[in-house]
Amino acid sequence: EPEVTQTPSHQVTQMGQEVILRCVPISNHLYFYWYRQILGQKVEFLVSFYNNEISEKSEIFDDQFSVERPDGSNFTLKIRSTKLEDSAMYFCASSEGRGERTSTDTQYFGPGTRLTVL
Amino acid sequence: LAKTTQPISMDSYEGQEVNITCSHNNIATNDYITWYQQFPSQGPRFIIQGYKTKVTNEVASLFIPADRKSSTLSLPRVSLSDTAVYYCLVGDDPYNTDKLIFGTGTRLQVFP
Repeated sequence: EPEVTQTPSHQVTQMGQEVILRCVPISNHLYFYWYRQILGQKVEFLVSFYNNEISEKSEIFDDQFSVERPDGSNFTLKIRSTKLEDSAMYFCASSEGRGERTSTDTQYFGPGTRLTVL
Repeated sequence: LAKTTQPISMDSYEGQEVNITCSHNNIATNDYITWYQQFPSQGPRFIIQGYKTKVTNEVASLFIPADRKSSTLSLPRVSLSDTAVYYCLVGDDPYNTDKLIFGTGTRLQVFP
């Protein structure tokens, strides 16, 4: 069964450093997402991406964050200058997408990258 | 916003049927109801989705009454491996359903 993959599984970085989290969505999917989950808290939406541009972003997704689809298979999340509060699990998800966007579009999540900012 | 309310936690024993009810009083006409499962340190996993009445797949059943203000996820004969957090989600905005809005979910603990 196709699945979303993410690398690395765990990333440790110093505050102020840049990190890039990588995801390979399911190959025929058209919509891509990033979510994060701070330890013990809810899964929070960060950003959605379609047709090579951001379709929606949350308040969390400020200027420190950016996303990119550098090639036909990868989808990345970059945090330019990490803060302690960026420590969390970051999940990538993808969905097939249909002609008309409906709430029936199932999102498939990757295993996550645990980001630790020291 | 179609906010959902679920019990914070539930306990069960292996072999029992578990029913987790979610209320969503402000569900929009074209919103679907979706349930996800999350194990510790893993990403959420889609379980089941429905619009009305009953939906069944190889993992669970979803019961939705006619008024659609609530839904019940039914897990038949749970095992220890069903210990997880279960999230009920409905569309945040019927015209913009890109994002999933997760609540705190129901933490199901299955005992031997």
